[in-house]
Amino acid sequence: AQSVTQLGSHVSVSEGALVLLRCNYSSSVPPYLFWYVQYPNQGLQLLLKYTSAATLVKGINGFEAEFKKSETSFHLTKPSAHMSDAAEYFCAVSAGGFKTIFGAGTRLFVKA
Amino acid sequence: DAGVIQSPRHEVTEMGQEVTLRCKPISGHDYLFWYRQTMMRGLELLIYFNNNVPIDDSGMPEDRFSAKMPNASFSTLKIQPSEPRDSAVYFCASSSSGQGLQPQHFGDGTRLSIL
Repeated sequence: AQSVTQLGSHVSVSEGALVLLRCNYSSSVPPYLFWYVQYPNQGLQLLLKYTSAATLVKGINGFEAEFKKSETSFHLTKPSAHMSDAAEYFCAVSAGGFKTIFGAGTRLFVKA
Repeated sequence: DAGVIQSPRHEVTEMGQEVTLRCKPISGHDYLFWYRQTMMRGLELLIYFNNNVPIDDSGMPEDRFSAKMPNASFSTLKIQPSEPRDSAVYFCASSSSGQGLQPQHFGDGTRLSIL
């Protein structure tokens, strides 16, 4: 079985500052990992995915995430936050043919 | 390309009434998922289908909930009778892989309010 934990239900950054959203996973087999973003009144949209290729994954809107097996982490980063990045972000894990498990989400606030 | 289409976008009804939510997945996707999202419980998987067959309905909260997929382009989630605690946003998602290799594509959801 697998699980995913997102550290911090809310993160606040200033515009132009680094964005770091934390995600740790648990899996007994090599996982597939995803980050999704949800804007108000919309469904989740894929930001990026890790499927055992390069450990540093680049996604849309300038986001990237690094898979660290030793730390069982898949943190999401963006060098410079923009007001339009304000949304809720979900980390998700899938492994061994089991269904995808979503984290509880982290709401990102961006201050002007 | 058309994404996952859900209807209605909003539904307000009184408790005890039957509610039917509808979903059209992306053409060619053979996995379909129904989720419920609330502030208290986050995103919960209710049921998923593969090739129109229900595979895992362990997330369906009660017998009041039922889901069908009569063909590859249509699915329904029905609540009968509805209760105030069913108020939530219900999402449908589809994917070309149930193994998790491919991402899920979500609709914009149905915001359900049971009075």
